[in-house]
Amino acid sequence: DGGITQSPKYLFRKEGQNVTLSCEQNLNHDAMYWYRQDPGQGLRLIYYSQIVNDFQKGDIAEGYSVSREKKESFPLTVTSAQKNPTAFYLCASSIGDGYNEQFFGPGTRLTVL
Amino acid sequence: KQEVTQIPAALSVPEGENLVLNCSFTDSAIYNLQWFRQDPGKGLTSLLLIQSSQREQTSGRLNASLDKSSGRSTLYIAASQPGDSATYLCAALDSSYKLIFGSGTRLLVRP
Repeated sequence: DGGITQSPKYLFRKEGQNVTLSCEQNLNHDAMYWYRQDPGQGLRLIYYSQIVNDFQKGDIAEGYSVSREKKESFPLTVTSAQKNPTAFYLCASSIGDGYNEQFFGPGTRLTVL
Repeated sequence: KQEVTQIPAALSVPEGENLVLNCSFTDSAIYNLQWFRQDPGKGLTSLLLIQSSQREQTSGRLNASLDKSSGRSTLYIAASQPGDSATYLCAALDSSYKLIFGSGTRLLVRP
């Protein structure tokens, strides 16, 4: 089955810890994205990558970091510098750049204890 | 800066009714507009994508239209069913190739 997987589904973090969210796709898509969704709101772009070993900041990149060492994988690290990290995190991918349809993973819900 | 608005925030209708969800955007310089469905606690499912050169797209009981000049898109759902209950999000691809999302319309179809 082709698709996007995210793990874990739920993640709990203590204040001051860094955590990494996994995103993997087997769609052979070049572009991948990370979004954050807060209750009752739309999605906001954190980081995106159009090609391996290259990525750009989105609108709310502060306190987050990413890497793109493989085409299939785009992990997101939520650092201790992110002041309000509790949210629902969604990963997406598309064939090329954002001009093409974006497909989403099932999401990871991060809660800071 | 592109802003996307969806009204109403919530909608409740009886089963079988035809309904329209609205999406407006402030900057008409968009490449495309995409409609998504989101079930509680789940990711987004792409429903329809309308390129800027198109006026509408159809898939089954769903029809989405785009009017760039007025900054509006609508999602028409025919013969609504309880299984259509979900949050519907629209997103516009702006001039920097970023998807800008509305905050969604939460739809409840009552049996």
